[in-house]
Amino acid sequence: NAGVTQTPKFQVLKTGQSMTLQCAQDMNHNSMYWYRQDPGMGLRLIYYSASEGTTDKGEVPNGYNVSRLNKREFSLRLESAAPSQTSVYFCASSPQGAVGTEAFFGQGTRLTVV
Amino acid sequence: DQQVKQNSPSLSVQEGRISILNCDYTNSMFDYFLWYKKYPAEGPTFLISISSIKDKNEDGRFTVFLNKSAKHLSLHIVPSQPGDSAVYFCAASASGTYKYIFGTGTRLKVLA
Repeated sequence: NAGVTQTPKFQVLKTGQSMTLQCAQDMNHNSMYWYRQDPGMGLRLIYYSASEGTTDKGEVPNGYNVSRLNKREFSLRLESAAPSQTSVYFCASSPQGAVGTEAFFGQGTRLTVV
Repeated sequence: DQQVKQNSPSLSVQEGRISILNCDYTNSMFDYFLWYKKYPAEGPTFLISISSIKDKNEDGRFTVFLNKSAKHLSLHIVPSQPGDSAVYFCAASASGTYKYIFGTGTRLKVLA
């Protein structure tokens, strides 16, 4: 019963460094999402993948790239980290789209950029 | 431009009383709404949802009400328990899209 698994759980980066956040789901879901959570801002959608082979920008895509590697995996890449990207990142998946079904979330990755 | 708004950042309620959490939205295309609960250091977990063809959905102690004309939904928790203390997010989606848009959250504290 793993559900949605994110790695790593914690990360500290220096400004300008790059890194990839990994996400995998074992529920055979078609759609996957990346959100960031910041105080007072709620959960904001960075990128999403409606189905394998497709990706689309969300509300706050600048500074990020994504890859839908296969049906199970959806990674988020920071090419040149900035302090403004300090946040908690959540990956989620849903069976098919966003209407009539809920999204299942991972435990989050706490990222600090110094 | 915040399409889903939760105007109360926090709420305190006595154990056993009713908790009412509110959410407003601006996009009239939204036709599916969800509530999530989040504990510290955990991911959000789904609580309850409602389709726009309904105005009420109930699941145990949790009831969600939808007022489409006012573009407003609310979550009622009766009776409130200390274990309900968490951050609650409302979310919305529209048919034909594949994304959930979340509000800013309301921190509920249930006092024993």
